[in-house]
Amino acid sequence: DTGVSQDPRHKITKRGQNVTFRCDPISEHNRLYWYRQTLGQGPEFLTYFQNEAQLEKSRLLSDRFSAERPKGSFSTLEIQRTEQGDSAMYLCASSLDLNTGELFFGEGSRLTVL
Amino acid sequence: AQSVTQPDIHITVSEGASLELRCNYSYGATPYLFWYVQSPGQGLQLLLKYFSGDTLVQGIKGFEAEFKRSQSSFNLRKPSVHWSDAAEYFCAVGPLGGYQKVTFGTGTKLQVIP
Repeated sequence: DTGVSQDPRHKITKRGQNVTFRCDPISEHNRLYWYRQTLGQGPEFLTYFQNEAQLEKSRLLSDRFSAERPKGSFSTLEIQRTEQGDSAMYLCASSLDLNTGELFFGEGSRLTVL
Repeated sequence: AQSVTQPDIHITVSEGASLELRCNYSYGATPYLFWYVQSPGQGLQLLLKYFSGDTLVQGIKGFEAEFKRSQSSFNLRKPSVHWSDAAEYFCAVGPLGGYQKVTFGTGTKLQVIP
């Protein structure tokens, strides 16, 4: 069990550029979540997948954001036309399809938009 | 809507002293309650969780928390703090069943002084 892995760990980009983050969940976990964390705040829910189906999106996820989980395994989060307000830590978590409630988090991908 | 309040942004305790981190939640039904810890450069790790049964729950690293329904609280405690406990602590709430969309508080940063 290698845990949840995220790539890249750090990304610095210029305003207006597109960025993509990848998340590889724990292999037997069919639920995958994206959260965003800014300085001094707790993680904020962005979106959730069960297998390949995206079941919920937060209103925080503007139309510049898109997330996919094409084969029910890894997931990508793309941000188009980045803005300085997008600077944050993007966290991925996964869980089993059981009512255990525990989310397993990756170490996050830190985005800095200049 | 579910919400979590952590009234203490920053707490400093001496090594060996006891610790209590406060958490109040708002939720319309019986919730899942969690405490996660986030150390610098590391992903969020579950310390403990409550969803039914004994209202005093034990977690990892010597932490415990007590669910008090009448006060809508789920405070985290540790009898003797170690320097390695310095980290940020997040209380979180999620619904029983379903896909466990978890809502996090803003966190309490713990500093431990020798």
